[in-house]
Amino acid sequence: AQSVTQLDSHVSVSEGTPVLLRCNYSSSYSPSLFWYVQHPNKGLQLLLKYTSAATLVKGINGFEAEFKKSETSFHLTKPSAHMSDAAEYFCVVSYISGSARQLTFGSGTQLTVLP
Amino acid sequence: GAGVSQSPSNKVTEKGKDVELRCDPISGHTALYWYRQSLGQGLEFLIYFQGNSAPDKSGLPSDRFSAERTGGSVSTLTIQRTQQEDSAVYLCASSWGGRGGSSGEQFFGPGTRLTVL
Repeated sequence: AQSVTQLDSHVSVSEGTPVLLRCNYSSSYSPSLFWYVQHPNKGLQLLLKYTSAATLVKGINGFEAEFKKSETSFHLTKPSAHMSDAAEYFCVVSYISGSARQLTFGSGTQLTVLP
Repeated sequence: GAGVSQSPSNKVTEKGKDVELRCDPISGHTALYWYRQSLGQGLEFLIYFQGNSAPDKSGLPSDRFSAERTGGSVSTLTIQRTQQEDSAVYLCASSWGGRGGSSGEQFFGPGTRLTVL
């Protein structure tokens, strides 16, 4: 079975400080992992994805995530937060179910960026 | 358009009425998914279409929910006799093939916000 746990429902940082959004996964085999971002009244946008290549994955807008198999983690980081980063972030694990790739979403982390 | 589109963007209805939500996937994508996002919760898988195969309906919460996909492109999600607990954002996604290409990436539409009074 596949599952995703986002350890923080809300994270608040000051503009210009680092961002850390935590995600742990459970998968019965090597997973594909994603981070999606959802701005208010907007659709989900893919930030980055891990698909068993490099363990450190770089995404859009300066975000990156590191796949750590020993810790079953895929935390999302950014060195310096920008006001436009305020949004909800979802950690997602992808797995095969029948003929389809299914996605299991975490419950989301709401990121607030303070001026 | 280049992305997944959904209509309407917002829908307010009265309890007991039927609603139809529409999704236009990215051209060429053979896989189409419907999800529901309730307030404060993650995404809940509803139904999946792949080409001309029978859809995977395992996520539909009740027999009031149904969906169809005509011509392997546009999809309609229908909710009959709506209840207040159906209020949520309904998201559609599409991908290259049932396995989403090499990575499983799905492309999401902006969603339809359904409010049942």
